[in-house]
Amino acid sequence: EAGVTQSPTHLIKTRGQQATLRCSPISGHTSVYWYQQALGLGLQFLLWYDEGEERNRGNFPPRFSGRQFPNYSSELNVNALELEDSALYLCASSLDDRGDGYTFGSGTRLTVV
Amino acid sequence: EDQVTQSPEALRLQEGESSSLNCSYTVSGLRGLFWYRQDPGKGPEFLFTLYSAGEEKEKERLKATLTKKESFLHITAPKPEDSATYLCAERGGSEKLVFGKGTKLTVNP
Repeated sequence: EAGVTQSPTHLIKTRGQQATLRCSPISGHTSVYWYQQALGLGLQFLLWYDEGEERNRGNFPPRFSGRQFPNYSSELNVNALELEDSALYLCASSLDDRGDGYTFGSGTRLTVV
Repeated sequence: EDQVTQSPEALRLQEGESSSLNCSYTVSGLRGLFWYRQDPGKGPEFLFTLYSAGEEKEKERLKATLTKKESFLHITAPKPEDSATYLCAERGGSEKLVFGKGTKLTVNP
């Protein structure tokens, strides 16, 4: 069974540009979660999508947005990039009512210069 | 807001030297306490879920336990390949997991 896949692996952008990160969940998983892992800060919750709808949002500005497609894959968009957006962005998926936590992808390393 | 605190931030052990990592949480109505392992540049890898005080789970050299406000990850006779960052997370009223900052474990041969 394929795991959670994220693309691209690495992304380098200039301050002010936009970045788009993609995530494909495990087959059958309907929930997708996005987390930001910046150096020294731990995993910070960004967004949760389930069945195509945004269900919850973390304490991030509106320039962080996303969507979930009918096939349950997801996109995270970050507009007007700032230097402090440099981080590892992790996507995870789960069955809606599964009790054993999330399965994470390997992440997208975003560097803003 | 729910908080998860892990200690120590970093731990160095000699191969075979057993120890424990601590995770304390503030949420009431815990719907799961999760342990993950994360290697550098990789996504977290699921280890355990605990649901109620007194519950224990084991996997190879790792054993996770849960009390009403804390969880412990016990590492018995660790090997260098156990070196990683260990993350703890809780799930309370919302579906999201709230993570601690992790404990970076280094096991020297």
